[in-house]
Amino acid sequence: AQTVTQSQPEMSVQEAETVTLSCTYDTSESDYYLFWYKQPPSRQMILVIRQEAYKQQNATENRFSVNFQKAAKSFSLKISDSQLGDAAMYFCALNNAGNMLTFGGGTRLMVKP
Amino acid sequence: NAGVTQTPKFRILKIGQSMTLQCAQDMNHNYMYWYRQDPGMGLKLIYYSVGAGITDKGEVPNGYNVSRSTTEDFPLRLELAAPSQTSVYFCASSYNRNNEQFFGPGTRLTVL
Repeated sequence: AQTVTQSQPEMSVQEAETVTLSCTYDTSESDYYLFWYKQPPSRQMILVIRQEAYKQQNATENRFSVNFQKAAKSFSLKISDSQLGDAAMYFCALNNAGNMLTFGGGTRLMVKP
Repeated sequence: NAGVTQTPKFRILKIGQSMTLQCAQDMNHNYMYWYRQDPGMGLKLIYYSVGAGITDKGEVPNGYNVSRSTTEDFPLRLELAAPSQTSVYFCASSYNRNNEQFFGPGTRLTVL
């Protein structure tokens, strides 16, 4: 069985500052994919960033980057230059060799002006 | 492209009623999924399909049924609705299991 844990139910960041959201996971597979999804109040699930486990290089998408530590089974999301529109629930998710995407419990990010 | 569409957006059911949540995608994706999201929680997989005619159970399949007669459509059937099925239901699709899943806007279901 695979599990995904997000230990921070809520985080707060000042506009223009940097924040890091934590995620740890457990899987017995060596080939898997990790994702961060954003869910704003509209409820729509939006992909933020994706990381293949076989790639050593950390994924980056504009202001969003990850710190992927395979040995530690850690997959944190860093948001730089935070904007008011970044306020949302953020979900970490793991897709291993099976067909199931397992989600963490989510972190609510608040951005203060 | 409309992406992934779901109907209805909201629904209130009485205990014991049945209904079908509709999901359609126009991206020619092979994989389709149904999730439920309880308040303050992450998403849990109910059922998924890897192609027309092929479906399989996810983490929380009890009380639900699915079918996949076409690539585009993946309806979710609730039989004998119970209050425990009050949730937001998301349909998603992807080209294959390793690609990004595209989500529909969700259906908020309340069972009273």
